[in-house]
Amino acid sequence: AQTVTQSQPEMSVQEAETVTLSCTYDTSESNYYLFWYKQPPSRQMILVIRQEAYKQQNATENRFSVNFQKAAKSFSLKISDSQLGDTAMYFCAFMKLPSSGGGADGLTFGKGTHLIIQP
Amino acid sequence: DGGITQSPKYLFRKEGQNVTLSCEQNLNHDAMYWYRQDPGQGLRLIYYSQIVNDFQKGDIAEGYSVSREKKESFPLTVTSAQKNPTAFYLCASSLRGPGANVLTFGAGSRLTVL
Repeated sequence: AQTVTQSQPEMSVQEAETVTLSCTYDTSESNYYLFWYKQPPSRQMILVIRQEAYKQQNATENRFSVNFQKAAKSFSLKISDSQLGDTAMYFCAFMKLPSSGGGADGLTFGKGTHLIIQP
Repeated sequence: DGGITQSPKYLFRKEGQNVTLSCEQNLNHDAMYWYRQDPGQGLRLIYYSQIVNDFQKGDIAEGYSVSREKKESFPLTVTSAQKNPTAFYLCASSLRGPGANVLTFGAGSRLTVL
């Protein structure tokens, strides 16, 4: 079984600052995916960024980037030039690699970090 | 527009009653999932189904039941055996094969037991 740990229940930064959210995970799998999801007050889950474990290059999506350290089982999210609209719950999630042609067994989520961007 | 529709958005139930939450998708996705969200607990997997007429228990299946008679639909029944059913419930779906690593989520259903 996999576990995902987010050690920061809440963080608060000023608008335009850079913030890093931490995530560690535990698994015996060698191939897997890692994700960061955002859940704003509407409670709609929004995919922020995805990382394939077999890729050494860190994923980047505009202002969002990750620091993936496979040996350390660490997967942090950096948000640059933070904006008021970034205020949300952020969840780190793990997915075991689906079997060829098959479906996924679902995501394992951390407990989340509540990020507040102050004006 | 393609997406996942969960209904009702809010539901109130008396103790001892069963209630069914609806999840419908028009994305032509094969796999569907149900998650429960509690404050401070993140999302936990209840049940999932990768094909019609087949489903598997997740981490917290006790007190819940599902069916998958149609590809588009994956209803969740919260039974009276569920000891603490008040929660936010999220449905998700994904493709199988190369697209299996991307889950699309519905807007959720809030269940309150009175």
